[in-house]
Amino acid sequence: GAGVSQSPSNKVTEKGKDVELRCDPISGHTALYWYRQSLGQGLEFLIYFQGNSAPDKSGLPSDRFSAERTGGSVSTLTIQRTQQEDSAVYLCASSLMGAGFRETQYFGPGTRLLVL
Amino acid sequence: GESVGLHLPTLSVQEGDNSIINCAYSNSASDYFIWYKQESGKGPQFIIDIRSNMDKRQGQRVTVLLNKTVKHLSLQIAATQPGDSAVYFCAENKGAGGTSYGKLTFGQGTILTVHP
Repeated sequence: GAGVSQSPSNKVTEKGKDVELRCDPISGHTALYWYRQSLGQGLEFLIYFQGNSAPDKSGLPSDRFSAERTGGSVSTLTIQRTQQEDSAVYLCASSLMGAGFRETQYFGPGTRLLVL
Repeated sequence: GESVGLHLPTLSVQEGDNSIINCAYSNSASDYFIWYKQESGKGPQFIIDIRSNMDKRQGQRVTVLLNKTVKHLSLQIAATQPGDSAVYFCAENKGAGGTSYGKLTFGQGTILTVHP
C-alpha cells in the first residue's frame, strides 16, 4: 500500500523566505511526526500530532517553525524567514495509534531543504 | 544531557560476514528501542524493535540485544549482504507517559559498508 509521502522532494530557497513542507501520512494513521536531519546527523524530533489532541511542539527550534495538521490527515510544516542553518532534510513519519503505544513509525522520503 | 549514541561511526565488512552495530543510551527511563536503516536519499526504514522487559529479540537475519545494566543496545546482522549497506540508527522512546510517547531520540548513526 501507499506509504508516507512528502512534497516537495527538494526545495531551494533564499534566506529570509518562507517555505511550506507537506506530509501525507499513511491512510488511517492517527499519529504524525516531524523530524529534522542535518547532514551526517541523526534525526531531531520537532513536533508530534496525535488525533485531536494538542500537538507536542517541544522540539521546534524557534518560533519561526510551525506545523498544522488539517482534518487529522495531511500536515504542513512552515518555516518563516528561513536561515541557512535551517538547511536539512525534513522527515515526516506516521504511526497507527500514537500516544500510549510503542509503535513503529513509518517514515517518508523527506524534503531536502537548502537555504542559500 | 541524556542522549543515545553510537560507539562506531563506520563499519566495513565482507559479504557473508556477520555485522554488529552498537549503541549506548544514558536514559534509564527509556523502555523501547528501535533500529532503523537509512539508505541514501531515503527515509529511515524500521528494522527491529525491543522493549525493556526483553534482552533479546530476533528477526529475519537480524538480532537486537539489550543490556539494561550497562545501557547498551546492539544490532547483529547475519550473513551481511551488499544490500545491507546503509546508515543504521538506534532510537529510544522514553516511558514518561502522555505525549512524550511520540518522541524518538536518535543516535548519530553508523555507516555500514558491505564489500562483495
